[in-house]
Amino acid sequence: AQSVTQLDSQVPVFEEAPVELRCNYSSSVSVYLFWYVQYPNQGLQLLLKYLSGSTLVESINGFEAEFNKSQTSFHLRKPSVHISDTAEYFCAVSASNQGGKLIFGQGTELSVKP
Amino acid sequence: DGGITQSPKYLFRKEGQNVTLSCEQNLNHDAMYWYRQDPGQGLRLIYYSQIVNDFQKGDIAEGYSVSREKKESFPLTVTSAQKNPTAFYLCASSNRGSADGYTFGSGTRLTVV
Repeated sequence: AQSVTQLDSQVPVFEEAPVELRCNYSSSVSVYLFWYVQYPNQGLQLLLKYLSGSTLVESINGFEAEFNKSQTSFHLRKPSVHISDTAEYFCAVSASNQGGKLIFGQGTELSVKP
Repeated sequence: DGGITQSPKYLFRKEGQNVTLSCEQNLNHDAMYWYRQDPGQGLRLIYYSQIVNDFQKGDIAEGYSVSREKKESFPLTVTSAQKNPTAFYLCASSNRGSADGYTFGSGTRLTVV
């Protein structure tokens, strides 16, 4: 079985500062990894995903995540955050042999302050 | 544009009443899911369906029921047996065996008054 742990439930940060949201997973088989973002009172939107190939994946709004197989991690980073990045972020894992079913972490609330 | 639609956005219910939340997708996805979200508790899986006319209980199915009579539709009924129904409910869909992840609806906020 797979599991996902997001190590921080809340991350406060000032605008233009760098941020890292941490995600660790466990699985006995190869996995696909995802980050979703949820703005208040909305559904989740896919931010980025790792399927195979390059371990560094990027989103269109400046976020990036690196797949680290040895540390079973998929941390999300942004070098300079904006107020508009304030949201909840969910890490998710899918085993490559599980028919696409996702296991979600508990979420990290990113709060960007001016 | 293809997508997944949840309705209504806000729903109020009196205690003791059943209520049905709608979820429709036009993405031709095989699988559909219902999650409940409470502050600080992440997403909890209620029910999921990977094929028409079949569905499985998730982690918190008690007090809920679903049907999957059509590929496009996966309505969730919150019954009077659900002790704490006030929450934000999210529906999602995906293609079985796909690595695309899930597409989510915009959610329904249910309040019991």
